[in-house]
Amino acid sequence: DVKVTQSSRYLVKRTGEKVFLECVQDMDHENMFWYRQDPGLGLRLIYFSYDVKMKEKGDIPEGYSVSREKKERFSLILESASTNQTSMYLCASGSLASDSYEQYFGPGTRLTVT
Amino acid sequence: SQQGEEDPQALSIQEGENATMNCSYKTSINNLQWYRQNSGRGLVHLILIRSNEREKHSGRLRVTLDTSKKSSSLLITASRAADTASYFCATDANDYKLSFGAGTTVTVRA
Repeated sequence: DVKVTQSSRYLVKRTGEKVFLECVQDMDHENMFWYRQDPGLGLRLIYFSYDVKMKEKGDIPEGYSVSREKKERFSLILESASTNQTSMYLCASGSLASDSYEQYFGPGTRLTVT
Repeated sequence: SQQGEEDPQALSIQEGENATMNCSYKTSINNLQWYRQNSGRGLVHLILIRSNEREKHSGRLRVTLDTSKKSSSLLITASRAADTASYFCATDANDYKLSFGAGTTVTVRA
């Protein structure tokens, strides 16, 4: 079974703190994604990566950065957390194979910024 | 940007009944996928339908796609309590990125 793990299920941080959210997948997938999920808005793509050291902005990259130093690991960084970044963060991975478009999701990290 | 929009936002049905939810999208797609999310958890892939397909089945799930209307429907037959979840459609424009709708929350009453 594909496994995508996220470093924390729940996280509470203070405004202005630097926050790291870690994601690891064990399926040798090329693609990795970070989404945030807010009530009534569904999932919105923050950043994604097609390969090691590659990153592309998604729909809402402002206030976030990412790092992909190894194929299996994709980190989301909040340089200076703000209260409007309180949300559920979901990591996903997927293959670049032409017949395999589905994404596999981690359990999510519920981040609260106070 | 969000492309899919699910309808209805919420659905409450009796166990054993069928549940139908719809998804509309705006631009051309390579495929459309449906995902399920149990309360506070990650999403699980249910089924994928390609743009050249009109209908697909998987167990108790039936998905239709009408590219001329830019819409899809997901039917869950003979619903069970375990089907209680949020369901999301997601469109892929052939770049491996998915655009998700806001979801339909389904409650199955015993």
